[in-house]
Amino acid sequence: GESVGLHLPTLSVQEGDNSIINCAYSNSASDYFIWYKQESGKGPQFIIDIRSNMDKRQGQRVTVLLNKTVKHLSLQIAATQPGDSAVYFCAEIGVDSSYKLIFGSGTRLLVRP
Amino acid sequence: KAGVTQTPRYLIKTRGQQVTLSCSPISGHRSVSWYQQTPGQGLQFLFEYFSETQRNKGNFPGRFSGRQFSNSRSEMNVSTLELGDSALYLCASSLSGDTQYFGPGTRLTVL
Repeated sequence: GESVGLHLPTLSVQEGDNSIINCAYSNSASDYFIWYKQESGKGPQFIIDIRSNMDKRQGQRVTVLLNKTVKHLSLQIAATQPGDSAVYFCAEIGVDSSYKLIFGSGTRLLVRP
Repeated sequence: KAGVTQTPRYLIKTRGQQVTLSCSPISGHRSVSWYQQTPGQGLQFLFEYFSETQRNKGNFPGRFSGRQFSNSRSEMNVSTLELGDSALYLCASSLSGDTQYFGPGTRLTVL
C-alpha cells in the first residue's frame, strides 16, 4: 500500500551547520509533496512543497529535493538554528486526487548550541 | 490573515461519552481536513470536506463523523469514546485541497 517513511528518526546537528532530513515514499505516481515542521504542543507548520514535475525548490534557508527515480525526498536546512529544533514530517498527496495527506513517521531535529 | 483555529484546545472525556470538536479555516478556504495524531500511529487522515460535502474519508470507524457548514467551518464528532481515541485531533484548511495549513489541534484525553 501507500506509505511515506523517513530514514532517520533523530538527527542531531551543531548550530550553524546544515541539516538534511530524508524521506522515502512508495507510491511513484504521487505528484505533490509537502514538508511540515511540528514543535511541541503545536500543529504542523507548512515549510515548503514541491510537485513531481520539479526536482528542486528553494525557500528561505530551506531546499527540497525530489528524486523520482529512487522515490526519495529530502529537506535541507541551511545554517541550522536552535529554533529549527522540532519534528519534521514529509507528506504526500494521494494520487487519486483524494487530497488525503499521507504522512511519514517524522524525524526529530535537535540543534546543539 | 488569521490562521486555522480549533476549539477547544484540551478536552477530557470518559469512555462511552461523545465529543464534538470545532475548526474554523483560514478565510476563503473551502476545504477542511481532519487528522488524528498519536505516538503509535502518527498522523492519520480522518476525512475532508469541501463546500459542505464530504469529499474523502479515511479508514476510521463510523463513530467518527464530521460536517461542514456554509461558512466553511467544520465540526467532527466522535461517539461512544474509547480509550484509544485519546489523541491530538488536527484540522487543516486549504483553498482547494492540496496545500494544507494546520491548526493547533485539540488534545482529547479519554479516561
